[in-house]
Amino acid sequence: EVLLVESGGGLVKPGGSLRLSCSASGFTFSSYTMNWVRQAPGKGLEWVSSITSSSTYIYYADSVEGRFTVSRDNAENSLYLQMNSLIVEDTAVYYCATTEYRSPQAYYFDSWGQGALVTVSS
Amino acid sequence: DIQMTQSPSSLSASVGDRVTITCRASQSISSYLNWYQQKPGKAPKVLIYVASSLQDGVPSRFSGRGSGTEFTLTISSLHPEDVATYYCQQTFSDSSLTFGGGTKVEIK
Repeated sequence: EVLLVESGGGLVKPGGSLRLSCSASGFTFSSYTMNWVRQAPGKGLEWVSSITSSSTYIYYADSVEGRFTVSRDNAENSLYLQMNSLIVEDTAVYYCATTEYRSPQAYYFDSWGQGALVTVSS
Repeated sequence: DIQMTQSPSSLSASVGDRVTITCRASQSISSYLNWYQQKPGKAPKVLIYVASSLQDGVPSRFSGRGSGTEFTLTISSLHPEDVATYYCQQTFSDSSLTFGGGTKVEIK
């Protein structure tokens, strides 16, 4: 069974930093593109970042580019999101999710974690 | 960036009703459009991928259509367990994936 568990969320002041982790099990983590998606309280889903299986390609949403860094450790079956220069608008539940490919461009987010809450407030 | 616009933002329908949600892209995305269902307090779950392919295990009352810039998700007969928020997502642009704003479905 695929299991994704996020950790590292919490309360941080504006301008501060936080590092989220996503621990994966039940599948061959090193073969999967992974993603971060966030959801502000009472709001919709927002894609944050994607990283391919060997970290060859990395993409960010404009809203976090230059402040967030995604990385992975395939030996540890773990995905990370380093969040710097946090602002109030970054307050959200952050989900990690796997990518399932049906063809090179036809894919979807298949398995999701339970989410980690990040609150940015003074 | 490709913008995804869903309508309506919310709807209320009776059990057994046919429900249709629309998603429009700001430019052509071919058929690279997915639909997700999110129930309160839960992570999203994919229902439809590549515009019209039903994910394994998803009831056949859910269907998707469209290509280019206009897409629809239809629930042929609304069940109480379908109360949720539904999101579309485009995967045409790898470097900037986007979700629609969501459609909240409630029972009348």
